[in-house]
Amino acid sequence: DTGVSQDPRHKITKRGQNVTFRCDPISEHNRLYWYRQTLGQGPEFLTYFQNEAQLEKSRLLSDRFSAERPKGSFSTLEIQRTEQGDSAMYLCASSFVEQETQYFGPGTRLLVL
Amino acid sequence: AQTVTQSQPEMSVQEAETVTLSCTYDTSESDYYLFWYKQPPSRQMILVIRQEAYKQQNATENRFSVNFQKAAKSFSLKISDSQLGDAAMYFCAYGDTGRRALTFGSGTRLQVQP
Repeated sequence: DTGVSQDPRHKITKRGQNVTFRCDPISEHNRLYWYRQTLGQGPEFLTYFQNEAQLEKSRLLSDRFSAERPKGSFSTLEIQRTEQGDSAMYLCASSFVEQETQYFGPGTRLLVL
Repeated sequence: AQTVTQSQPEMSVQEAETVTLSCTYDTSESDYYLFWYKQPPSRQMILVIRQEAYKQQNATENRFSVNFQKAAKSFSLKISDSQLGDAAMYFCAYGDTGRRALTFGSGTRLQVQP
């Protein structure tokens, strides 16, 4: 068990570009979560999946954001037409349905210039 | 909506001493979970300790223990015999069985002085 992994770890992009992040959860975990964390703040929930179904989306997830988990394994988070306000750490977490503890990945730090 | 409040932005403790980090929360749910996560500088968030609301006994994990006061909606973390490696941001988080997402506090930065 290698834990939750995320790729890339860092991303610098220009305003208006699209970016995509990947998350690989712990293998037996069927829930997967995305959070956003800005400097000095706690993570804020974006969306979560149970298997391949996206069950909840936060109001923070504007229509420029889309997340998928096509086969119930890894997930992608895409941000279209990035804005400087999208600069943040994007965290992925996973959990097993019978437990409530979420295990976090190292995050992807996005900087939009 | 659930809220989590950490009123101590920064705390400092001497190595080998004990420190307590405070957390309060607000919920109308009766079945929920509380967590403390540790986030070292530029490193990933790791679970420190977890408490189920239905359990009256306070959770402990080695040098880490909690004081869970359900009626007061308080959930403090005590770190005993503090070590230099304990220096990090500590986040209190709330989760319930109705809404799977965690709600986090704003964090407490803990410094450990040698």
